[in-house]
Formats: sequence, C-alpha cells, structure tokens
Amino acid sequence: AQTVTQSQPEMSVQEAETVTLSCTYDTSESDYYLFWYKQPPSRQMILVIRQEAYKQQNATENRFSVNFQKAAKSFSLKISDSQLGDAAMYFCALTGANSKLTFGKGITLSVRP
Amino acid sequence: GAVVSQHPSRVICKSGTSVKIECRSLDFQATTMFWYRQFPKQSLMLMATSNEGSKATYEQGVEKDKFLINHASLTLSTLTVTSAHPEDSSFYICSARAFLPGMNTEAFFGQGTRLTVV
Repeated sequence: AQTVTQSQPEMSVQEAETVTLSCTYDTSESDYYLFWYKQPPSRQMILVIRQEAYKQQNATENRFSVNFQKAAKSFSLKISDSQLGDAAMYFCALTGANSKLTFGKGITLSVRP
Repeated sequence: GAVVSQHPSRVICKSGTSVKIECRSLDFQATTMFWYRQFPKQSLMLMATSNEGSKATYEQGVEKDKFLINHASLTLSTLTVTSAHPEDSSFYICSARAFLPGMNTEAFFGQGTRLTVV
C-alpha cells in the first residue's frame, strides 16, 4: 500500500514571495514516481512537476522546484516569485511503475496581491 | 503534453435516469484509464481502473452495478451512472496513462464532468 500525506490544508503567500508546500509519503515499491498537480478553480488537473525516485537531482520547472528527501520520504514543492495565477489547490501524488496514482488531501494556496 | 478529452463538462439529469460520461485520449493510446470522484475542496477519490478489453477493477465501496465502466478501445473509456440519485451529484474526472516509452507512468487528466442529479 502507498500513502501520501499533506498535513497543511491551507497556506497563503504574498505575491512575488516564495512558498513551500509539504508532502510526505510511504511506499513499499523501490521504483516510484512523485508528482505535484495544480487544480485551479476550473478544476482541470495540471501537472506542475515530476520526480523519478531513482534520480538524486531535484526536479525544477521554471519557478517550481522540489526538495526530494528519499530517506525521509519527503517531497516538498517550492514556488518562487509567487504569482496571482498560482492560487489553486495543489495535490502531491505518488505512483509505482504499474500501480495507481495515490493523492494527498491537497492544500489550498492563496496569493495575496 | 498528451490530451485527454472528457465529455460532457456539465450535465443535469433527473433522478432515476442514467448518464454516460466519455473519456478520450486524443493523441496517444491509453493502456489504462482511471475514474475519480471529487467532492468540493477534497482530494480525488479513485473509483475504478479500466484496462482496454477487460473488466474494470473497482475500489472498495464503489458499486460496480451503479457505475458501469467500459473501455472498448485504447482511446475511449466511458462511465455510466445508472439510476442516478441526488447523492451521486459530484465532480467526476478521468485520467489516462500514456502507452509511450518513458511516459507510461504519467497520467493525463480530462477536464472533468460536473454531474447534478435533480
């Protein structure tokens, strides 16, 4: 079984500042993948960033980067230079090579102008 | 990225009727499709996993006779909510796993369907 835990239900950040969203997970698989998805008010799920567990280097996509701590089973998302359009619900997710995607409960991020 | 089209985006139906939701992968073949249900401000709850040409695997607590899933081809899966009741009102999302080298662990999501049963 695999679990994903997002313990913070809500966070707020000032526009142009940096915010970090936390996520921990547990899995028995040795080969797995981690994701952060964004769900704006439109409710379309958008992939923000992806990390392969076998890669030591943290993934980066423009203003989005992760801090992947494999031993601690932690996978946090850092959003730099926050923009109003970043306001959304963010989900951390985990999948093994052939298994289903497991989501955390999500965190609602608001951006203050 | 790969595109998944879900239709309709919104549907209102009368209690007791059935509603069909389609999920299509437009530019790739999907070996596996997933159906989720999402309540407001909550996470996605997996309902079932469907593989092309075989019966869907339902999660515990999901009524397979209530939520009929058909995955007739590598690009189309359908979810039919049978004899719908107001408690079936929800947001339903499909996702498809790409059958491409290096991408087979990534899921692509449809736009979702908001079902309202009156």
